[in-house]
Amino acid sequence: EVQLVESGGGLVKPGESLRVSCEASTFNFSDYTMNWFRQAPGKGLEWVSSITGSSRHKFYTDSVKGRFTIFRDNAKNSLYLQMHSLRVEDTGLYYCARDRAVSGAYASDNWGQGTRVTVSS
Amino acid sequence: SYVLTQPPSVSVASGQTARISCGGNKLSFKNVHWYQQKPGLAPVLVVYDDDERPSGIPGRFSGSKSGNTATLTVSRVEAGDEADYYCQVWDHDTDHWVFGGGTKLTV
Repeated sequence: EVQLVESGGGLVKPGESLRVSCEASTFNFSDYTMNWFRQAPGKGLEWVSSITGSSRHKFYTDSVKGRFTIFRDNAKNSLYLQMHSLRVEDTGLYYCARDRAVSGAYASDNWGQGTRVTVSS
Repeated sequence: SYVLTQPPSVSVASGQTARISCGGNKLSFKNVHWYQQKPGLAPVLVVYDDDERPSGIPGRFSGSKSGNTATLTVSRVEAGDEADYYCQVWDHDTDHWVFGGGTKLTV
C-alpha cells in the first residue's frame, strides 16, 4: 500500500520561511511525478506545485512562483516544499500526492493526510 | 487562467441518483478527474480520465463528458456518500492543475 506522510508544518509569521516534507514508501518513488496541494480553512482544493520523477520539470501556481521551491531526494524517497516570504493567504493544510501513472500529468491517486501551515502575526 | 465551474451544492434523497456537473472551456479536449473529500480527511480519487474508476471505488460512481461539461454520477446514493466533490483538469496552455470550486453533496 502506498504511504505518504507529510511533516514540517507549523505556525510562522508573515515573511518567514518554512519547509514541509513528504516521505513516501512502498512504491518506486523516482518513477512518479509528485505534487503539493493545499486547502485553506473552509475552502476548496488548490494546486501548489509539481515535480517530475527526475526533477527535470517543476511547475508552480502563479501565487507561489518565486517564493516556493519544490524539490525531491529520490534516494530518501522524499519530497519537499521550501516556502519563503510566507503570507497569511498561504495558510492551509498542505497535502502531498502522487500521480497515478508515470511520465505525464495524471490524476493523483494517493494522498497524504496533510501538514498544517499557519501564517499569522 | 482556466476556470472550472461546479454547482456549490447538490441534494438528493438516499437511494436516488446524484449528478454533479463541471463546466469549462474546451473541456472536451481535457481529461477530467473527480475527487471525493469527506470532512477531516484527504481527498480520494473516484473517477479519472473522464470515466475511469480506480480500483476499490464502487461501481455506483461513474463519470461522463459531453461537450464542455463533465458529470460525476452517483447512483443509489448512500448516507456515506455525503462529501465535497471536486473536478480537476491539467491545463496544457499554462502547465497548471486546475480544480473546480467543489460541490457539497447532501444526502
